[in-house]
Amino acid sequence: KQEVTQIPAALSVPEGENLVLNCSFTDSAIYNLQWFRQDPGKGLTSLLLIQSSQREQTSGRLNASLDKSSGRSTLYIAASQPGDSATYLCAVRQRSGNTGKLIFGQGTTLQVKP
Amino acid sequence: DVKVTQSSRYLVKRTGEKVFLECVQDMDHENMFWYRQDPGLGLRLIYFSYDVKMKEKGDIPEGYSVSREKKERFSLILESASTNQTSMYLCASSRPGQTTYEQYFGPGTRLTVT
Repeated sequence: KQEVTQIPAALSVPEGENLVLNCSFTDSAIYNLQWFRQDPGKGLTSLLLIQSSQREQTSGRLNASLDKSSGRSTLYIAASQPGDSATYLCAVRQRSGNTGKLIFGQGTTLQVKP
Repeated sequence: DVKVTQSSRYLVKRTGEKVFLECVQDMDHENMFWYRQDPGLGLRLIYFSYDVKMKEKGDIPEGYSVSREKKERFSLILESASTNQTSMYLCASSRPGQTTYEQYFGPGTRLTVT
């Protein structure tokens, strides 16, 4: 059974720091991995999607990497800003079983202090 | 931009009531999903639909049903609401196919059953 884990559960950093959020998954047979942002009480905003054949994706100050063989992904945020404060979720779409769904981690809640 | 809308942001219902949660997407996506999100449990898939009038159970379908009469609209139905269905409900949509396409989420409906 696929399990997705995100460490740490919470992170607090001063503005301007570069930071890394971690995501690990137990079954490497995935189609893709998606990173989301969720603001309190709101829905999910898709940040980056990495296909299983890709190593990384970049969007602005965000860079996501994927090492499928070791079951790991990282989300790198450069020059963090208070507006980056949110919960970040990773999710995998797996090849086996019910392939329509995403399997989510519990999320990392990030606070960027001015 | 893909837009997924949900009929209500906040909803308060009484135990035993029949509850309808509506989701509409404007990108002609074949796939639509209903998740619920609970603290400590993360996001879990309730049902998904891959075409009009087609549906499949997710991980936690008990106590729920769905309806997809039109491609753009996917409804989640709580036949007889119970307090353990108090949760944040998130709808998502995506294009068909298993490998490439990301899921887009709506803003969520916070349902409280008293």
